[in-house]
Amino acid sequence: DVKVTQSSRYLVKRTGEKVFLECVQDMDHENMFWYRQDPGLGLRLIYFSYDVKMKEKGDIPEGYSVSREKKERFSLILESASTNQTSMYLCASRGSRGGWNTQYFGPGTRLTVL
Amino acid sequence: AQTVTQSQPEMSVQEAETVTLSCTYDTSESNYYLFWYKQPPSRQMILVIRQEAYKQQNATENRFSVNFQKAAKSFSLKISDSQLGDTAMYFCASNSGGYQKVTFGIGTKLQVIP
Repeated sequence: DVKVTQSSRYLVKRTGEKVFLECVQDMDHENMFWYRQDPGLGLRLIYFSYDVKMKEKGDIPEGYSVSREKKERFSLILESASTNQTSMYLCASRGSRGGWNTQYFGPGTRLTVL
Repeated sequence: AQTVTQSQPEMSVQEAETVTLSCTYDTSESNYYLFWYKQPPSRQMILVIRQEAYKQQNATENRFSVNFQKAAKSFSLKISDSQLGDTAMYFCASNSGGYQKVTFGIGTKLQVIP
């Protein structure tokens, strides 16, 4: 079974703090994704990575950055957390066979910024 | 650009009954894929069913089937013999060919009533 894990289920941070969300997958997938999920807005793509050290912006990259130093690990960084970044963050991974492949999701991190 | 629209924010169904969740999409691509994902309360998102756009035959997975109307750009999900474990958020999604980005709808919250 594919396993995608995220470093925290719940996280509470202060405005202005630097926040790291970690995601690890164990299926040697080339592609990894970070989404944020908000009620009434569905899932919105923040960033994705199709290879080590490669990244591309999604629909809402402002205020976020990412890092992929190893194939299995994809980190989302909030350089200076703000209250409007309070949300559920989902990580996903997918193999390289193109659009047919399913995405495998982690359990999510519910981030609250005070 | 792709868009995915789910017009039913919430639905309910009696246990053992059948329910249909609606989804429409828009894409300029000729080759694309469509997915339904399920997110149970406090659990990870998983794939329910998927469809390749160039295949005429509707996909089925046990109690789950789709009604794919390509000309109308409609991709509805039918759940037969609904079970309590089907209670979840359901997301319709699409992506094009080898392109990595998947576009999600805002979700439909389904409640199965005993």
